[in-house]
Amino acid sequence: DQQVKQNSPSLSVQEGRISILNCDYTNSMFDYFLWYKKYPAEGPTFLISISSIKDKNEDGRFTVFLNKSAKHLSLHIVPSQPGDSAVYFCAAEDSGTYKYIFGTGTRLKVLA
Amino acid sequence: KAGVTQTPRYLIKTRGQQVTLSCSPISGHRSVSWYQQTPGQGLQFLFEYFSETQRNKGNFPGRFSGRQFSNSRSEMNVSTLELGDSALYLCASSTGQGAYEQYFGPGTRLTVT
Repeated sequence: DQQVKQNSPSLSVQEGRISILNCDYTNSMFDYFLWYKKYPAEGPTFLISISSIKDKNEDGRFTVFLNKSAKHLSLHIVPSQPGDSAVYFCAAEDSGTYKYIFGTGTRLKVLA
Repeated sequence: KAGVTQTPRYLIKTRGQQVTLSCSPISGHRSVSWYQQTPGQGLQFLFEYFSETQRNKGNFPGRFSGRQFSNSRSEMNVSTLELGDSALYLCASSTGQGAYEQYFGPGTRLTVT
């Protein structure tokens, strides 16, 4: 039972354009959501997060949107750069049980 | 502040053997989680330890076990290795309280032949 789903395994975007990565979850107890970025041969690194009491959080070129009613979050990268090419994982936490679940990842390729 | 370290970085074992992986968290972090990453499967949660106690557990067989020491360092053990256990094993440390982000080590690449 995959509680956090990233239905697009890969995405290609031209440099300078917007990248939109999507994530859906099923557990309504999740109340904190995060995005991680992973390069080959390295561990994931934290990118940005959002609490369930918010619907948007922005950090430079990265913005995360949360739609609680749809149980959906998305990561927007504007403008996309070749260095953004990596695998992006969304994660969700139930802060009551501290249960922390990752999605399967989306491989983003930004074309120069 | 030193990051999360994992040893060894690479390991080759044969079927039926057992293996122990080690993780040293960031100083002050009390939570250590372990994940298995295989192609197409993302990060599969194995278990989480907080203050020497297993707090959460994923859906892996009992061959996968772990422990955490009083200094928060953690070990993961896999007994009776199978070919399908070949994967990147990642550990992550965090404060483990409230809403938190995890900080990952570089992983241990295990190959079972």
